[in-house]
Amino acid sequence: GAGVSQSPSNKVTEKGKDVELRCDPISGHTALYWYRQSLGQGLEFLIYFQGNSAPDKSGLPSDRFSAERTGGSVSTLTIQRTQQEDSAVYLCASSLSPTGYNQPQHFGDGTRLSIL
Amino acid sequence: EDKVVQSPLSLVVHEGDTVTLNCSYEVTNFRSLLWYKQEKKAPTFLFMLTSSGIEKKSGRLSSILDKKELSSILNITATQTGDSAIYLCAVELPNTGNQFYFGTGTSLTVIP
Repeated sequence: GAGVSQSPSNKVTEKGKDVELRCDPISGHTALYWYRQSLGQGLEFLIYFQGNSAPDKSGLPSDRFSAERTGGSVSTLTIQRTQQEDSAVYLCASSLSPTGYNQPQHFGDGTRLSIL
Repeated sequence: EDKVVQSPLSLVVHEGDTVTLNCSYEVTNFRSLLWYKQEKKAPTFLFMLTSSGIEKKSGRLSSILDKKELSSILNITATQTGDSAIYLCAVELPNTGNQFYFGTGTSLTVIP
């Protein structure tokens, strides 16, 4: 597609349930990032995938959070046993290979997650 | 600790005013500094700055990096209501695979 696509755009779920958020990056972009943006806050880095390398998971806030990227393209972010503090907008971004560095990230519209 | 600090946190101006948004960072030897505009959903890319003192310009928007002062400014002249958004600054970290630290953003509201 022309841009980064995320689904669903909105997700409301009960506390304790598991959720899966999907990101389809721009075709040809090898780098993929997940961020979390809480109300009035900046973007909090969660995880970064680059090609076939092991992902950088240093930003994941707890072991309830995990992500995978299949075939170097689509990524899913999974949150298990959701809690109210997980409520936020989850943004996905992709960029061209960082081997050339200085590549801007292109963002999807995000998934707004609300935990009741 | 905040590696990227933006100021002001919010700003309300009238159409036609000129605004200057600030971004200060604590990361040395970074690769690049980026500015994004976030309206309702996805942040959209504005500028990437890598060299100190070289102004980048796009229409009424311009930005410049001062590596000595570890800061950058984003200027918007002759503001319009469509400029209302959150403006995010991000610094690309050194020695990482293209990882970024984002500031909390400046919320700009332009009143007709």
